Amino acid sequence: DTGVSQDPRHKITKRGQNVTFRCDPISEHNRLYWYRQTLGQGPEFLTYFQNEAQLEKSRLLSDRFSAERPKGSFSTLEIQRTEQGDSAMYLCASSPPTSGVANEQFFGPGTRLTVL
Amino acid sequence: KQEVTQIPAALSVPEGENLVLNCSFTDSAIYNLQWFRQDPGKGLTSLLLIQSSQREQTSGRLNASLDKSSGRSTLYIAASQPGDSATYLCAVAGNTPLVFGKGTRLSVIA
Repeated sequence: DTGVSQDPRHKITKRGQNVTFRCDPISEHNRLYWYRQTLGQGPEFLTYFQNEAQLEKSRLLSDRFSAERPKGSFSTLEIQRTEQGDSAMYLCASSPPTSGVANEQFFGPGTRLTVL
Repeated sequence: KQEVTQIPAALSVPEGENLVLNCSFTDSAIYNLQWFRQDPGKGLTSLLLIQSSQREQTSGRLNASLDKSSGRSTLYIAASQPGDSATYLCAVAGNTPLVFGKGTRLSVIA
């Protein structure tokens, strides 16, 4: 399978715990995006990388959230001291190396986080 | 700030009907518009992408149009099938990555 993959697919945690999610983009896609989707809403942009550089972060990305893409390949999204409001689907997408942000984005299956 | 609105929020039709989903956006300075399909609890599948210089795109039974000046796009689905049941999301790319609408939840009844 050559699509975007995410791990784990589901995560249940207790409030206050730290969680980390992984995203593997489509091979040779240099842009990688993270979105968050709550029930009944469309996805909301969190952050994106071009290669290993984090180019933009949304105001939704509080200090408890950190994302990395150390070698320009896979990315991790960590949430520290989880809160019940963090419960959501976390979606990763990637896009190929063409100019501008207007590239078609390909999404992974998402990680469903439930904070008890 | 870009805002994307999708109407209707939900739609139920009998199998075989042609249908139209609507998407509007407030800032016409976009690079492209993408339509996605999302099945319950799943990720997003890209259906069609229309660049800002284009007026429409077609793929099989799907046709998407774009009127950038009026801030509108439509997704036309011909001869609907029960397998088309899903949520359809519209998203626009401007100076920042995609801004999504809340989606239209479609049910096609056999």
